[in-house]
Amino acid sequence: EAEVAQSPRYKITEKSQAVAFWCDPISGHATLYWYRQILGQGPELLVQFQDESVVDDSQLPKDRFSAERLKGVDSTLKIQPAELGDSAMYLCASSLFRDQETQYFGPGTRLLVL
Amino acid sequence: SQKIEQNSEALNIQEGKTATLTCNYTNYSPAYLQWYRQDPGRGPVFLLLIRENEKEKRKERLKVTFDTTLKQSLFHITASQPADSATYLCALSHASGGSYIPTFGRGTSLIVHP
Repeated sequence: EAEVAQSPRYKITEKSQAVAFWCDPISGHATLYWYRQILGQGPELLVQFQDESVVDDSQLPKDRFSAERLKGVDSTLKIQPAELGDSAMYLCASSLFRDQETQYFGPGTRLLVL
Repeated sequence: SQKIEQNSEALNIQEGKTATLTCNYTNYSPAYLQWYRQDPGRGPVFLLLIRENEKEKRKERLKVTFDTTLKQSLFHITASQPADSATYLCALSHASGGSYIPTFGRGTSLIVHP
C-alpha cells in the first residue's frame, strides 16, 4: 500500500540553526499539507499546496518558515532560525484531488530544539 | 473567531460499551467534517467523513452524526475493544478559493478497559 514518506524521523538541533524536513506524497496526489502538532494538541495547518501552488499559508510564520513544492511532487519545509518553541511533530499529508478530502498522513518528523 | 472544541479529558469506558465522542464548533460553515484516529508518535489515520447535507454515516462499528444547527458532530464506537484506545481527532473543512482548508480539533483520548 502506498504511503507518504517523511525524513528525517527525528531531528535535534540548537536554537538559531536551520532545519529542513522532506516529504514525498503518495504518487499522483495533487494536494500536499504540512502540519505542526504540539504534544497534547491537534495538528495545525502550516501550508497547503495544490500541485506546485500554495493554496493556504495563513498560519505559516513566514519570518522563519518556508515551504516549497517546485515540481508539484515532493516538498521541503524549512525553519531558519529555529527557536525553542518550534519543538513539535511536523506532519505531512497528501490527498488525491483538491476535493478528495481524505488525507493520508506520513509518520512525521519529531523536532527538538535545544 | 473560529473554534473547534473536543473534550480535553480522556474518556474511560469498559470493553463492550459504546464510546461517544463530541466535536463542537463555532463560527464555521464547514463543507464536511472528518474523524481521524491517532496513536502515540504516529500520524493520524482517516476513519469517516460526513458532508454538511448528511445527518449520519456508518462504517462497521463506527457511526458519525452531524448536526449543523447545533454545530456538533458525535462519533460513536460500538462494542468497543481495548484496541480502540487512541486519540480521536475531528477536522472541519471549509471552502476557500476553490479549495477546502482543513482545521483540526485537539482530539479526545479514549481508553477502553478490558
